[in-house]
Amino acid sequence: ETGVTQSPTHLIKTRGQQVTLRCSSQSGHNTVSWYQQALGQGPQFIFQYYREEENGRGNFPPRFSGLQFPNYSSELNVNALELDDSALYLCASSVQGVGTTEAFFGQGTRLTVV
Amino acid sequence: GDSVTQMEGPVTLSEEACLTINCTYTATGYPSLFWYVQYPGEGLQLLLKATKADDKGSNKGFEATYRKETTSFHLEKGSVQVSDSAVYFCALILYSSASKIIFGSGTRLSIRP
Repeated sequence: ETGVTQSPTHLIKTRGQQVTLRCSSQSGHNTVSWYQQALGQGPQFIFQYYREEENGRGNFPPRFSGLQFPNYSSELNVNALELDDSALYLCASSVQGVGTTEAFFGQGTRLTVV
Repeated sequence: GDSVTQMEGPVTLSEEACLTINCTYTATGYPSLFWYVQYPGEGLQLLLKATKADDKGSNKGFEATYRKETTSFHLEKGSVQVSDSAVYFCALILYSSASKIIFGSGTRLSIRP
């Protein structure tokens, strides 16, 4: 068990709506990264948060945004949902600093946009 | 840009067969290399890793060697089990300002009893 928990596990939204996904990082981890995994593909990096600030971003539009809280948990927000946003969203936590550790992944949130 | 290319699946083998899943990478720096496994309905689990050239990662009977000269990190197992059925992802990470993981497209492995 990795200790990274995500909620909800499944979600169905309508095109144009907004969604918030949540992630609790593993105890002691100060960095959270979010990935989008479309069906049959590898995960794609969305962004990373370290010390409550965005610390790197992949090729995703601004309607994908996030937050990291003082307890290192995180949210991923997606506005104006599109059908192509249907995917498994994975959260990963790690420790960033001297000797960055490996990332541990949560079970993911399966988002379906209809 | 940095990328990972891995053998396309699906791969179907009989129990106790030998497994090789090919993976090659392109990176501007000196990446660490990983194999992740995803069982049905689950998130990603780290299977093994190697952080520098000629390192061999191993776990649960799986092995992969970091080959800088061929930019490869092939996954091998001498005798697969039904419980090894899963999707396997080769990945790299460059520890720059954001330690993002770059994944291959995944290889689905099915093992027949």
